[in-house]
Amino acid sequence: NAGVTQTPKFQVLKTGQSMTLQCAQDMNHEYMSWYRQDPGMGLRLIHYSVGAGITDQGEVPNGYNVSRSTTEDFPLRLLSAAPSQTSVYFCASSYSVQVNTEAFFGQGTRLTVV
Amino acid sequence: GQQVMQIPQYQHVQEGEDFTTYCNSSTTLSNIQWYKQRPGGHPVFLIQLVKSGEVKKQKRLTFQFGEAKKNSSLHITATQTTDVGTYFCAGRRGGSNYKLTFGKGTLLTVNP
Repeated sequence: NAGVTQTPKFQVLKTGQSMTLQCAQDMNHEYMSWYRQDPGMGLRLIHYSVGAGITDQGEVPNGYNVSRSTTEDFPLRLLSAAPSQTSVYFCASSYSVQVNTEAFFGQGTRLTVV
Repeated sequence: GQQVMQIPQYQHVQEGEDFTTYCNSSTTLSNIQWYKQRPGGHPVFLIQLVKSGEVKKQKRLTFQFGEAKKNSSLHITATQTTDVGTYFCAGRRGGSNYKLTFGKGTLLTVNP
């Protein structure tokens, strides 16, 4: 099993550009989520999904869109990149939302917006 | 909204000293999880506590969940250089609230 796969690992964007961060898991996990990590701020939840076709906002959703058309994939879209979105982004998945289970994280995407 | 506070933000110890990080939630949690992130890496699950007053041990690591299920701690006995990293707690309120909220983490550095 590959686990949680994120692409790309690194990305530089210009202000105003859009892009999609990809996240895929092959563990048939029900719950998927996106976090951003900034120095001194810990991991902040952007969006999450409890199953295909169902998404909801986390703490810092502005400027980001998500969709969950399949169980495996949960892409994060930046609509118009801003320097404040420079961060490390982690995708995570868990087996179930009904039973408390551990989160598996991807390797992260380091995004710089100039 | 739910907040999870974690202290201290940083801790530097000499190898062999003990280390403790504390986690407090503004709301009662259904469970608390602990993760470790090595420098440059991604968070990796360590343990989950579910029951009020629960204590679990993993070798030199001891995890506790408070009686009110609003606080938790991680204690490392006799730190080693391999313990270096950031330790995060994370909690869920439960019921229909599925969000896993993380504390800001404690960065542990160990001087050999």
